[in-house]
Amino acid sequence: EVHLVESGGDLVQPGRSLRLSCAASGFSFGDYAMHWVRQAPGKGLEWVSGISWKSGSVDYADSVKGRFIISRDDAKNSLELQMHSLTPDDSALYYCAKDRGRYSTSSGFDCWGLGTLVTVSS
Amino acid sequence: IRMTQSPSSFSASTGDRVTISCRASQGISSYLAWYQQTPGKAPKLLIHAASTLQSGVPSRFSGSGSGTDFTLTISCLQSEDFATYYCQQYYSYPRTFGQGTKVEIK
Repeated sequence: EVHLVESGGDLVQPGRSLRLSCAASGFSFGDYAMHWVRQAPGKGLEWVSGISWKSGSVDYADSVKGRFIISRDDAKNSLELQMHSLTPDDSALYYCAKDRGRYSTSSGFDCWGLGTLVTVSS
Repeated sequence: IRMTQSPSSFSASTGDRVTISCRASQGISSYLAWYQQTPGKAPKLLIHAASTLQSGVPSRFSGSGSGTDFTLTISCLQSEDFATYYCQQYYSYPRTFGQGTKVEIK
């Protein structure tokens, strides 16, 4: 069974950094693109970042470009999001999501974790 | 690419046929997915490639459209279908979601 478990969420002060992790199991992690999607309380879904299989390419939402870094470790079946210069607007539940498309194919996100909560406040 | 859903919310009764629209600000071919989210839960993929039902999703859900205009239809609304629905394009980066459509009980 496909399983994604996020961790690392915390209460942090504005301007600080935080690192989120996602542990994957139940599928050939290295064969799929992976993504981070966030949801502020009571708000809609916002795609944050994605990384292709074999880390061939990475992409970011404009709202986080230059502050967030996505990476993956296929040997450890893990996905990471380094977040810097955090602002209150970054407060949200952060989901790790698996792309349904294998290798270089893109598709919808067919598996999601339960999310990890990031709160940015002084 | 901006994704715009309509309506933002509406009320319906069990057994109703409901339709949710999603419009892309530019053509995205059929690179569109639909998700369902219930309170406190992660989103669930319902449809990909605009009209392909994800494995395990009931056949009362269907999707249509291509280019810029898309539709999600629930043929006979069940109690477990009261939720928020999102469309998402995966034609290009950044991936973008619609703002969501909340289906409430009448």
